[in-house]
Amino acid sequence: AQTVTQSQPEMSVQEAETVTLSCTYDTSESDYYLFWYKQPPSRQMILVIRQEAYKQQNATENRFSVNFQKAAKSFSLKISDSQLGDAAMYFCAYRSPTGANSKLTFGKGITLSVRP
Amino acid sequence: NAGVMQNPRHLVRRRGQEARLRCSPMKGHSHVYWYRQLPEEGLKFMVYLQKENIIDESGMPKERFSAEFPKEGPSILRIQQVVRGDSAAYFCASSPSGVLNQPQHFGDGTRLSIL
Repeated sequence: AQTVTQSQPEMSVQEAETVTLSCTYDTSESDYYLFWYKQPPSRQMILVIRQEAYKQQNATENRFSVNFQKAAKSFSLKISDSQLGDAAMYFCAYRSPTGANSKLTFGKGITLSVRP
Repeated sequence: NAGVMQNPRHLVRRRGQEARLRCSPMKGHSHVYWYRQLPEEGLKFMVYLQKENIIDESGMPKERFSAEFPKEGPSILRIQQVVRGDSAAYFCASSPSGVLNQPQHFGDGTRLSIL
């Protein structure tokens, strides 16, 4: 079974600065997808960014980018130019390649606070 | 385009009652996933359904919990004889198919409180 680990329960960043959130996972599969979801106080689940394991290039979405290290099974999220609206819980998630097993496996999450 | 619609947003039940949570997937989506989030925890997979079929229920407790996704109408997660430990946020997600490169879109969740 796949596992996702987010070992930092909380992080804080100054507005306009950069922060990196860590995530590691364990799998024996060679092809899969990785995701970062944001959950603000409203408790919606918002997709931030996704990465296909077969792609060597790191995914980027505006101020959000990932550092995907497949051999190390590491998938960190970098938020540049942090904004107050970035304050939320962030969840790393893994998705298996097989259709019948396409559920998401989530880490426990990290609470990010942004200091004005 | 309407997103994934879950209702009710909040549901309060007394111990022993039944809870019914509804999820209408996005238009064109025929795959539905249910997840449960306990306080201060990540989301845990419960069940994956296609229209009229349960594909994977490996995360759903064997007793008291059931799910369906009929040909017509929303997906329903049903919890019978609720207990305090069932208090959680229940999220539904949908996708057009089970294909890997199609992300799951989440609803706003149903917060279930058991008195």
